[in-house]
Amino acid sequence: AQTVTQSQPEMSVQEAETVTLSCTYDTSESDYYLFWYKQPPSRQMILVIRQEAYKQQNATENRFSVNFQKAAKSFSLKISDSQLGDAAMYFCAYKPTGTASKLTFGTGTRLQVTL
Amino acid sequence: GAVVSQHPSWVICKSGTSVKIECRSLDFQATTMFWYRQFPKQSLMLMATSNEGSKATYEQGVEKDKFLINHASLTLSTLTVTSAHPEDSSFYICSARGDRGLGYGYTFGSGTRLTVV
Repeated sequence: AQTVTQSQPEMSVQEAETVTLSCTYDTSESDYYLFWYKQPPSRQMILVIRQEAYKQQNATENRFSVNFQKAAKSFSLKISDSQLGDAAMYFCAYKPTGTASKLTFGTGTRLQVTL
Repeated sequence: GAVVSQHPSWVICKSGTSVKIECRSLDFQATTMFWYRQFPKQSLMLMATSNEGSKATYEQGVEKDKFLINHASLTLSTLTVTSAHPEDSSFYICSARGDRGLGYGYTFGSGTRLTVV
């Protein structure tokens, strides 16, 4: 079974600085998808960034980028120029390539952004 | 695109009563929807996978008779918590796969906070 591990329960970053959230996963599949979701205090789950395992290039969405290391099964999220609005729970998620396959979530990392 | 509407956003009910939560895909057809439960400061726990026109697939340990799921149309799935008790109080979230392709993850509803008193 696939597992997703987020080893940092909480992280803190100063506004305008950069922070990296860690995620590792375990799978025997060669093709799959990885995601980072953000859950602010409103508890609405928001997709931050996604990565296809067959792509070597790391995904980037504005201030958010990932470091995808397939051999190491590592998928970290880097947030640059952190803003107060980035404060939230961040969940790493894994999804096999099946049509209606389910997401497996990590336990989450709570990010605090300080002035 | 790919908007999922969940209703109600919060509900308080008396112990022993039933509560229905709706999840609608507004601008796409969702053959598959997922229902999650989230306890405070914890991750999302998948309860069941809802397939249009067929029975839902429940995760191990989830009571089928307590959490009734109906997916009668391509845009609506409902979760009914039957004979609710205080321990059923939680945050329930639905999600559906958008129509932009398998790699686009899932779109989530805004969640329902259920309090059973």
